[in-house]
Amino acid sequence: NAGVMQNPRHLVRRRGQEARLRCSPMKGHSHVYWYRQLPEEGLKFMVYLQKENIIDESGMPKERFSAEFPKEGPSILRIQQVVRGDSAAYFCASSPMTGVDEQYFGPGTRLTVT
Amino acid sequence: GESVGLHLPTLSVQEGDNSIINCAYSNSASDYFIWYKQESGKGPQFIIDIRSNMDKRQGQRVTVLLNKTVKHLSLQIAATQPGDSAVYFCAENRGGGSEKLVFGKGTKLTVNP
Repeated sequence: NAGVMQNPRHLVRRRGQEARLRCSPMKGHSHVYWYRQLPEEGLKFMVYLQKENIIDESGMPKERFSAEFPKEGPSILRIQQVVRGDSAAYFCASSPMTGVDEQYFGPGTRLTVT
Repeated sequence: GESVGLHLPTLSVQEGDNSIINCAYSNSASDYFIWYKQESGKGPQFIIDIRSNMDKRQGQRVTVLLNKTVKHLSLQIAATQPGDSAVYFCAENRGGGSEKLVFGKGTKLTVNP
């Protein structure tokens, strides 16, 4: 019974390039959340998606960041024109349905911008 | 504003002792709380949760206490083991349709053999 899967686990990008982070939720889970974690800090909420819908993007920067969760395939967090300040660990979590609060986290993608 | 914080950033205990990790939250409307354990290089791992209609919940070697009067949450780990060494985060869900979790900064627990 696979947990939340994220890839790649490590991603290095040069300033100005695009970063694409993928998340496959646990089987049967239709809710996906993205969080960002800076070194020595807690996780910060970015966006909450259900299949084909963005429910809450209050934590997403207004520019360069976008997220999707298509009907088929993984959820994608896309960062355009990356800057050094985007370097962080990005975690995806999933939950089975509305009203179930527990979120299960993936191993994260560590993005380094050089 | 959003504020879930921890009283102590680091905690060092001897193997076999009990550990207590504390957390303060500021939003009295929060109705669900979770403790996560995060080992180096890994994602947060669920430990235990509690809803606001409870004041205590026990799991295997762990107990969470919730004091709504002073908006305080604690995680107790019994007979702490070296494998418990990690950073522990409390997180709150404020309900009301918002599904996001608000995390504190974390407490690093070190268990000395």
